[in-house]
Amino acid sequence: GAGVSQSPSNKVTEKGKDVELRCDPISGHTALYWYRQSLGQGLEFLIYFQGNSAPDKSGLPSDRFSAERTGGSVSTLTIQRTQQEDSAVYLCASSSRTDTQYFGPGTRLTVL
Amino acid sequence: GQSLEQPSEVTAVEGAIVQINCTYQTSGFYGLSWYQQHDGGAPTFLSYNALDGLEETGRFSSFLSRSDSYGYLLLQELQMKDSASYFCAVESGGSYIPTFGRGTSLIVHP
Repeated sequence: GAGVSQSPSNKVTEKGKDVELRCDPISGHTALYWYRQSLGQGLEFLIYFQGNSAPDKSGLPSDRFSAERTGGSVSTLTIQRTQQEDSAVYLCASSSRTDTQYFGPGTRLTVL
Repeated sequence: GQSLEQPSEVTAVEGAIVQINCTYQTSGFYGLSWYQQHDGGAPTFLSYNALDGLEETGRFSSFLSRSDSYGYLLLQELQMKDSASYFCAVESGGSYIPTFGRGTSLIVHP
């Protein structure tokens, strides 16, 4: 594909509901990252996938957050029992080199 | 741990030159990247420095001094469309997970 795509672009949910966010990386990119960005803030690392290696989950803020990457391509970030503080833009990035990440447009999550 | 410092906001006029600084504290430094993000948009890669010196790409240049744990992004011939947030990010410690700064909001005035 031309770039990294994410869906949905916007998600409004009620507190306590589960949400799934999807990322389609650039074809052939072995590395995939999830970040969270709150309004006016920097990027907070969540999780990193590299090829078939075990993911680095060190950035996940709680056990309500999980992610998987199927077939080394598409990734899904799941947030269970959402809280209002989970409201943010969730960005996915992929890369084939260590120095350049290509970001998707993000999913804006609003928890009411 | 790792930490990065960059100014929260910089203002300049069209046609001017502006420098956005980034200082970092880390161990096992690999490289420093810069990203641009317009309001409501995704970050886009601008440059990467692994070695000391200046890297030039059109109107944008990036500089790194490893001994000073310092880098900067230089934007020349500023245009209104350059108004955006600029993030520095450092890779270090044997990890391919970059740590991002909090971003610098650049406001370009006519």
